[in-house]
Amino acid sequence: GENVEQHPSTLSVQEGDSAVIKCTYSDSASNYFPWYKQELGKRPQLIIDIRSNVGEKKDQRIAVTLNKTAKHFSLHITETQPEDSAVYFCAASKGAQKLVFGQGTRLTINP
Amino acid sequence: NAGVTQTPKFQVLKTGQSMTLQCAQDMNHEYMSWYRQDPGMGLRLIHYSVGAGITDQGEVPNGYNVSRSTTEDFPLRLLSAAPSQTSVYFCASSYSWGGYTFGSGTRLTVV
Repeated sequence: GENVEQHPSTLSVQEGDSAVIKCTYSDSASNYFPWYKQELGKRPQLIIDIRSNVGEKKDQRIAVTLNKTAKHFSLHITETQPEDSAVYFCAASKGAQKLVFGQGTRLTINP
Repeated sequence: NAGVTQTPKFQVLKTGQSMTLQCAQDMNHEYMSWYRQDPGMGLRLIHYSVGAGITDQGEVPNGYNVSRSTTEDFPLRLLSAAPSQTSVYFCASSYSWGGYTFGSGTRLTVV
Protein backbone atom coordinates (compact mmCIF):
# COMPACT_ATOMS: atom_id res chain seq x y z
CA GLY A 1 0.00 0.00 0.00
CA GLU A 2 0.85 3.67 -0.04
CA ASN A 3 3.48 5.04 2.35
CA VAL A 4 4.05 8.77 2.83
CA GLU A 5 7.17 10.21 4.46
CA GLN A 6 7.19 13.85 5.61
CA HIS A 7 10.13 16.07 6.56
CA PRO A 8 11.06 17.88 8.69
CA SER A 9 9.10 16.89 11.78
CA THR A 10 9.62 20.37 13.25
CA LEU A 11 10.40 23.65 11.53
CA SER A 12 11.02 27.06 13.03
CA VAL A 13 11.24 30.18 10.85
CA GLN A 14 11.33 33.92 11.40
CA GLU A 15 8.17 35.86 10.62
CA GLY A 16 8.27 37.01 7.02
CA ASP A 17 10.59 34.22 5.87
CA SER A 18 9.53 31.24 3.76
CA ALA A 19 8.84 27.71 4.96
CA VAL A 20 9.13 24.51 2.92
CA ILE A 21 7.82 21.07 3.89
CA LYS A 22 8.59 18.02 1.78
CA CYS A 23 6.85 14.68 1.32
CA THR A 24 7.65 11.52 -0.61
CA TYR A 25 5.21 8.80 -1.58
CA SER A 26 5.72 5.19 -2.58
CA ASP A 27 2.82 4.25 -4.88
CA SER A 28 3.31 5.53 -8.42
CA ALA A 29 -0.46 5.12 -8.99
CA SER A 30 -1.24 7.90 -6.49
CA ASN A 31 -2.66 10.95 -8.23
CA TYR A 32 -4.16 13.15 -5.51
CA PHE A 33 -2.02 15.11 -3.01
CA PRO A 34 -3.69 17.37 -0.43
CA TRP A 35 -2.17 19.39 2.40
CA TYR A 36 -3.90 19.93 5.73
CA LYS A 37 -3.32 22.42 8.57
CA GLN A 38 -4.19 21.48 12.13
CA GLU A 39 -4.18 24.02 14.92
CA LEU A 40 -3.88 22.86 18.52
CA GLY A 41 -7.01 21.02 19.64
CA LYS A 42 -8.76 21.53 16.30
CA ARG A 43 -9.64 19.36 13.35
CA PRO A 44 -7.40 19.16 10.24
CA GLN A 45 -8.44 21.59 7.54
CA LEU A 46 -7.63 21.38 3.85
CA ILE A 47 -5.45 24.27 2.68
CA ILE A 48 -4.48 23.21 -0.84
CA ASP A 49 -4.43 20.13 -3.04
CA ILE A 50 -2.88 19.10 -6.34
CA ARG A 51 -3.51 16.36 -8.84
CA SER A 52 -0.94 14.48 -10.88
CA ASN A 53 -1.78 16.25 -14.13
CA VAL A 54 -0.50 19.53 -12.65
CA GLY A 55 3.08 20.35 -11.61
CA GLU A 56 2.39 23.38 -9.43
CA LYS A 57 -0.55 25.15 -7.82
CA LYS A 58 -0.66 28.46 -5.95
CA ASP A 59 -3.16 30.08 -3.61
CA GLN A 60 -2.00 33.46 -2.31
CA ARG A 61 1.01 32.76 0.00
CA ILE A 62 0.74 28.99 -0.34
CA ALA A 63 2.03 26.85 -3.20
CA VAL A 64 2.47 23.14 -3.78
CA THR A 65 4.83 21.51 -6.29
CA LEU A 66 4.75 17.93 -7.52
CA ASN A 67 7.51 15.84 -9.08
CA LYS A 68 5.92 12.60 -10.29
CA THR A 69 9.18 11.12 -11.53
CA ALA A 70 10.82 11.45 -8.13
CA LYS A 71 7.54 10.80 -6.30
CA HIS A 72 7.77 13.82 -4.07
CA PHE A 73 5.74 16.96 -3.45
CA SER A 74 6.32 20.06 -1.36
CA LEU A 75 4.41 22.82 0.41
CA HIS A 76 5.79 26.34 0.20
CA ILE A 77 4.57 29.13 2.47
CA THR A 78 5.90 32.62 1.72
CA GLU A 79 5.84 35.73 3.92
CA THR A 80 5.03 33.65 6.97
CA GLN A 81 2.83 35.10 9.70
CA PRO A 82 2.24 34.08 13.34
CA GLU A 83 -1.12 32.54 12.39
CA ASP A 84 0.72 30.09 10.13
CA SER A 85 1.99 28.32 13.27
CA ALA A 86 0.35 24.86 13.29
CA VAL A 87 0.95 21.24 12.38
CA TYR A 88 0.89 20.56 8.64
CA PHE A 89 0.12 17.17 7.10
CA CYS A 90 0.64 15.97 3.56
CA ALA A 91 -1.32 13.04 2.13
CA ALA A 92 -1.53 10.90 -0.99
CA SER A 93 -4.07 8.62 -2.61
CA LYS A 94 -5.26 7.18 -5.86
CA GLY A 95 -8.44 8.91 -6.86
CA ALA A 96 -8.98 10.51 -3.41
CA GLN A 97 -10.05 7.26 -1.75
CA LYS A 98 -7.88 5.62 0.94
CA LEU A 99 -6.05 8.86 1.76
CA VAL A 100 -2.76 8.13 3.56
CA PHE A 101 -1.10 10.89 5.62
CA GLY A 102 2.46 11.78 6.45
CA GLN A 103 3.56 12.08 10.08
CA GLY A 104 3.17 15.85 10.22
CA THR A 105 5.40 18.93 10.56
CA ARG A 106 5.10 21.30 13.50
CA LEU A 107 5.72 24.78 12.09
CA THR A 108 6.56 27.60 14.48
CA ILE A 109 6.74 31.20 13.29
CA ASN A 110 8.98 33.34 15.50
CA PRO A 111 8.12 37.06 15.76
CA ASN B 1 -25.15 22.69 6.55
CA ALA B 2 -23.71 20.97 9.62
CA GLY B 3 -20.83 19.35 7.67
CA VAL B 4 -19.41 16.27 9.42
CA THR B 5 -20.87 15.60 12.88
CA GLN B 6 -19.21 13.24 15.32
CA THR B 7 -20.59 12.04 18.63
CA PRO B 8 -19.63 11.76 21.40
CA LYS B 9 -16.86 14.36 21.81
CA PHE B 10 -15.36 12.59 24.82
CA GLN B 11 -15.65 9.01 26.08
CA VAL B 12 -14.03 6.91 28.78
CA LEU B 13 -14.29 3.13 28.46
CA LYS B 14 -13.17 0.24 30.57
CA THR B 15 -11.03 -2.45 28.97
CA GLY B 16 -13.26 -4.99 27.23
CA GLN B 17 -16.26 -2.70 26.79
CA SER B 18 -17.69 -2.07 23.34
CA MET B 19 -19.03 1.15 21.89
CA THR B 20 -19.94 2.89 18.65
CA LEU B 21 -18.58 6.24 17.52
CA GLN B 22 -21.14 8.02 15.38
CA CYS B 23 -20.39 10.00 12.21
CA ALA B 24 -22.89 11.74 9.96
CA GLN B 25 -22.45 14.12 7.02
CA ASP B 26 -25.04 16.21 5.21
CA MET B 27 -23.02 17.14 2.11
CA ASN B 28 -23.98 14.08 0.00
CA HIS B 29 -20.32 13.02 -0.09
CA GLU B 30 -19.58 9.61 -1.61
CA TYR B 31 -16.41 8.94 0.38
CA MET B 32 -16.13 8.60 4.15
CA SER B 33 -13.19 7.57 6.32
CA TRP B 34 -12.18 7.03 9.92
CA TYR B 35 -8.76 8.05 11.23
CA ARG B 36 -7.06 7.83 14.58
CA GLN B 37 -4.52 10.41 15.69
CA ASP B 38 -1.83 9.60 18.21
CA PRO B 39 1.05 11.89 19.26
CA GLY B 40 3.91 11.65 16.77
CA MET B 41 2.01 9.20 14.55
CA GLY B 42 0.01 11.55 12.39
CA LEU B 43 -3.39 10.46 11.10
CA ARG B 44 -3.72 6.73 10.45
CA LEU B 45 -6.55 5.35 8.34
CA ILE B 46 -8.73 2.75 10.08
CA HIS B 47 -11.50 2.04 7.54
CA TYR B 48 -12.95 3.83 4.57
CA SER B 49 -16.01 3.69 2.32
CA VAL B 50 -16.55 4.79 -1.28
CA GLY B 51 -20.33 4.54 -1.11
CA ALA B 52 -23.29 3.00 0.69
CA GLY B 53 -22.76 -0.72 1.18
CA ILE B 54 -19.02 -0.56 0.32
CA THR B 55 -16.28 -0.52 2.96
CA ASP B 56 -12.63 -1.48 3.05
CA GLN B 57 -9.74 -1.66 5.49
CA GLY B 58 -7.16 1.04 5.97
CA GLU B 59 -3.75 0.92 7.67
CA VAL B 60 -4.88 -0.03 11.21
CA PRO B 61 -8.24 -1.89 11.02
CA ASN B 62 -7.78 -4.47 13.79
CA GLY B 63 -10.25 -4.12 16.65
CA TYR B 64 -12.65 -1.93 14.67
CA ASN B 65 -15.71 -2.61 12.51
CA VAL B 66 -17.62 -0.31 10.19
CA SER B 67 -20.74 -0.40 8.07
CA ARG B 68 -22.32 2.07 5.68
CA SER B 69 -26.00 1.47 5.17
CA THR B 70 -26.71 5.05 4.05
CA THR B 71 -24.73 7.78 2.28
CA GLU B 72 -24.94 9.99 5.37
CA ASP B 73 -23.82 7.69 8.20
CA PHE B 74 -20.59 5.82 8.84
CA PRO B 75 -20.37 4.47 12.42
CA LEU B 76 -17.18 2.99 13.87
CA ARG B 77 -17.54 0.12 16.32
CA LEU B 78 -14.95 -0.86 18.90
CA LEU B 79 -15.56 -4.51 19.60
CA SER B 80 -13.60 -4.98 22.85
CA ALA B 81 -11.80 -1.82 23.91
CA ALA B 82 -8.10 -2.00 24.78
CA PRO B 83 -5.80 0.70 26.26
CA SER B 84 -3.96 0.78 22.90
CA GLN B 85 -7.14 2.24 21.39
CA THR B 86 -6.84 5.38 23.50
CA SER B 87 -6.67 8.08 20.85
CA VAL B 88 -8.44 10.92 19.10
CA TYR B 89 -10.73 9.63 16.36
CA PHE B 90 -11.64 11.71 13.34
CA CYS B 91 -14.29 10.99 10.75
CA ALA B 92 -13.94 12.62 7.32
CA SER B 93 -15.95 12.79 4.12
CA SER B 94 -15.38 13.99 0.57
CA TYR B 95 -16.61 13.96 -2.99
CA SER B 96 -14.95 11.42 -5.27
CA TRP B 97 -12.55 14.11 -6.56
CA GLY B 98 -11.18 14.93 -3.12
CA GLY B 99 -11.29 17.67 -0.52
CA TYR B 100 -11.91 15.73 2.67
CA THR B 101 -13.79 17.58 5.41
CA PHE B 102 -13.09 16.41 8.95
CA GLY B 103 -15.40 16.19 11.93
CA SER B 104 -14.42 17.75 15.26
CA GLY B 105 -13.15 14.47 16.67
CA THR B 106 -13.84 12.07 19.54
CA ARG B 107 -11.31 11.84 22.36
CA LEU B 108 -11.43 8.24 23.64
CA THR B 109 -9.69 6.98 26.77
CA VAL B 110 -9.62 3.27 27.60
CA VAL B 111 -8.71 2.44 31.19
